[in-house]
Parts: sequence; C-alpha cells; structure tokens
Amino acid sequence: EAQVTQNPRYLITVTGKKLTVTCSQNMNHEYMSWYRQDPGLGLRQIYYSMNVEVTDKGDVPEGYKVSRKEKRNFPLILESPSPNQTSLYFCASSFRGYEQYFGPGTRLTVT
Amino acid sequence: SQQGEEDPQALSIQEGENATMNCSYKTSINNLQWYRQNSGRGLVHLILIRSNEREKHSGRLRVTLDTSKKSSSLLITASRAADTASYFCATVSNGSSNTGKLIFGQGTTLQVKP
Repeated sequence: EAQVTQNPRYLITVTGKKLTVTCSQNMNHEYMSWYRQDPGLGLRQIYYSMNVEVTDKGDVPEGYKVSRKEKRNFPLILESPSPNQTSLYFCASSFRGYEQYFGPGTRLTVT
Repeated sequence: SQQGEEDPQALSIQEGENATMNCSYKTSINNLQWYRQNSGRGLVHLILIRSNEREKHSGRLRVTLDTSKKSSSLLITASRAADTASYFCATVSNGSSNTGKLIFGQGTTLQVKP
C-alpha cells in the first residue's frame, strides 16, 4: 500500500530537549516536504527536498533541520525545541509538481 | 507565504445539497490542487487542474479554474455527512514548477448535516 508514515504520532516534550520526527515513503517519490499546521495560519512549509542530498528552506525553517540521506526518508530535527514549535506537523511526498501524499501527522507539544 | 484565499471560511449545509468553495491566488500558476482534511488527520488529494484547463470532474467533484481572475471553485454535488471536513486549495506557481512547492490556502470548513 502506497503510504507516508510518520513517527511518533504524538509527542510531549520540554524546552531544549532535542527531538526527531521520522518520515518515510514507499512510492519512490523524489520530492518530500515538511509542513506545520497552526490554527488561523493554515499549512506552512518548513523544508523540502527535491532528491537525495538536496534540501531547501521553505517559508518557516527557523528552529528546524532536515536531512535526506536516502530517497525514502526525510526526518525533521528540532535541535532545541521551544513552545512556539508546538504544532501539528505533516510530512508529504510526491513526484515533483503533482499530487502530494500526506502522512497522518505528528502532534507536538513543547512545554 | 499563503497565496490562496478561500471563501467562505466555513459552510454548513444539509445532506443532499451542493457545496461550493472558492479559492483565489496571486501569482501565475502551473497547476492548482484541492485537498480534503478530516479533523486532525492528514490531507488527502482530491483533484488537480492544470493552468490550461478550465474545468475538471471527478465523481461528485467539479473544479473550475479561471486564470484571468486567478480563482478556482470546488463544487461538491449531493453532499453527504461523510463530506464534513476542511477543504484546501493549493497552487504550484510557474516559478516553482520544477520544485513542486505547494502554497496552501487557509481552507474552508464544511459541515454537512444529516
């Protein structure tokens, strides 16, 4: 089954404690992206990757890092999380420019 | 940056009625896509319309695109309670067609009452 998986689905952490949210897709998609969704602000792109070892900033990259060492995986790293990073995070993948397949979301709370 | 503006922000209708949502955008686009999101879940792609297309159908969905007005509409016919969700338009601009970057609108929340 074609899918994008994210882990964990829910995470409560404290300020400053490094965390990684994993994302994996099984569709051989070149393009992968991370979004955050906040009430009243819609979905905003954090980082995206057009292929292995090719990543670029989206609209709200501050406080986040990503890597793309393998085509299927695109982890999101928060080196020092802060409360303003409390949000619902989505990973997505696609063939470039076409329909994106979204993961189920990771609800992150930073206290 | 949020390119799409959606209208209305919220819509409540009875089962069996049609629902129409509108989306406006700012820059020239390669394509426009519509997504559905059930509460707190991942987005699901509904339909893609290219800039050289004016109308597209998929089941009970009808999408129109007017590039001169930079606007699109999504019509759901004969709505069902299961259509209750938020609906987002998203655009791939001409400048981003090689990256595939999507810019999302704020979404329309649709409630279909049984």
